[in-house]
Amino acid sequence: EAGVTQFPSHSVIEKGQTVTLRCDPISGHDNLYWYRRVMGKEIKFLLHFVKESKQDESGMPNNRFLAERTGGTYSTLKVQPAELEDSGVYFCASSQDRPQSPLHFGNGTRLTVT
Amino acid sequence: GDSVTQMEGPVTLSEEAFLTINCTYTATGYPSLFWYVQYPGEGLQLLLKATKADDKGSNKGFEATYRKETTSFHLEKGSVQVSDSAVYFCALRSSSRASGGSYIPTFGRGTSLIVHP
Repeated sequence: EAGVTQFPSHSVIEKGQTVTLRCDPISGHDNLYWYRRVMGKEIKFLLHFVKESKQDESGMPNNRFLAERTGGTYSTLKVQPAELEDSGVYFCASSQDRPQSPLHFGNGTRLTVT
Repeated sequence: GDSVTQMEGPVTLSEEAFLTINCTYTATGYPSLFWYVQYPGEGLQLLLKATKADDKGSNKGFEATYRKETTSFHLEKGSVQVSDSAVYFCALRSSSRASGGSYIPTFGRGTSLIVHP
């Protein structure tokens, strides 16, 4: 089966600009998660979709971040306007809805805001 | 809420040395426990898992045993190789649905392993 894919793999933007990250989960996985890791720190939960519905967005840092999952397939995460502290690696993961099921991760998008 | 604590890194070893990376957790009920590995330039991938107490997960020479009495899931390997150099993440997935109705995964900070020839 195809894995989780993320695009782009790298993005370098200036403070104040807009960036949109995309994630294509494994087909049939209703659960989709966005995480962020800043250098050397923990993988921080951002939000979670079940199909097209946001189940938990408690980790979203502020209203500059907007995530969507139209039609319950791929998801986008938009940062507008970007700030320096938004730099990091953004991971997307998908899974089946069972506690024993592992997450399947994409390779991440490395975002650098200058 | 749920939490995972891993030992601080980096862990630096010589090839063929014994590896232990400690992981302890806090969770209600009986979570499933996981170790993920991230090689340079790649995403996280599942290394092994255990879904109930006293289960041992194993893969690629790595092992971890689900110890409920000590709430631990330490990762071990008898003889590391240079190719094992990576960041290792301990994680849990609660057995209880969160308020949003899902089994929220929680990750540790990650432990960097560097193996020298």
